Amino acid sequence: DAKTTQPNSMESNEEEPVHLPCNHSTISGTDYIHWYRQLPSQGPEYVIHGLTSNVNNRMASLAIAEDRKSSTLILHRATLRDAAVYYCIHFNTDKLIFGTGTRLQVFP
Amino acid sequence: DAGVIQSPRHEVTEMGQEVTLRCKPISGHNSLFWYRQTMMRGLELLIYFNNNVPIDDSGMPEDRFSAKMPNASFSTLKIQPSEPRDSAVYFCASSLALTRDWGYGYTFGSGTRLTVV
Repeated sequence: DAKTTQPNSMESNEEEPVHLPCNHSTISGTDYIHWYRQLPSQGPEYVIHGLTSNVNNRMASLAIAEDRKSSTLILHRATLRDAAVYYCIHFNTDKLIFGTGTRLQVFP
Repeated sequence: DAGVIQSPRHEVTEMGQEVTLRCKPISGHNSLFWYRQTMMRGLELLIYFNNNVPIDDSGMPEDRFSAKMPNASFSTLKIQPSEPRDSAVYFCASSLALTRDWGYGYTFGSGTRLTVV
């Protein structure tokens, strides 16, 4: 299964931007990069995905390195509700395989 | 849309009893996935269906686990007999299509917290 590497935990203050990194050095040319997050006591929720170009949506931005071996999820202004575990996933099959993710703490 | 609906939210049962977890996917979604989450092993994919047909059950831990999808709007995950090590949160998710580029991603239910004593 596709392997990604993320820091175990990160901290941020409220209203500040947060950059969550992910390394996916084994990614192939047709693998998409997906990000999910899991809020406390909830199921994971889709955040954003991309292939080569940077992507923006209402939740976040995804910056993909030119060689595609890494990506960064950007939360432009962290809120307390953004405290969650963030999962970076790349895959080219039919199923999402989750790693251990990054636990983001947001302080007021 | 009410999202993916799972029942029950919590289940406490005694070792050896049969447990049935239920899932109603989002209407129109044709792929359904069952995951299990524990502190030790994280989120594990157990089995998934496409158009009600099981595609990959390689994640099912052993023969005590079985899953069915009799129609597009309902799936069950059954454990018989249950054991304390089956205690976990079980999530069901559905998706619009079984392709690599999911513009909508997976939608997960709120999970069933199973405790086997």
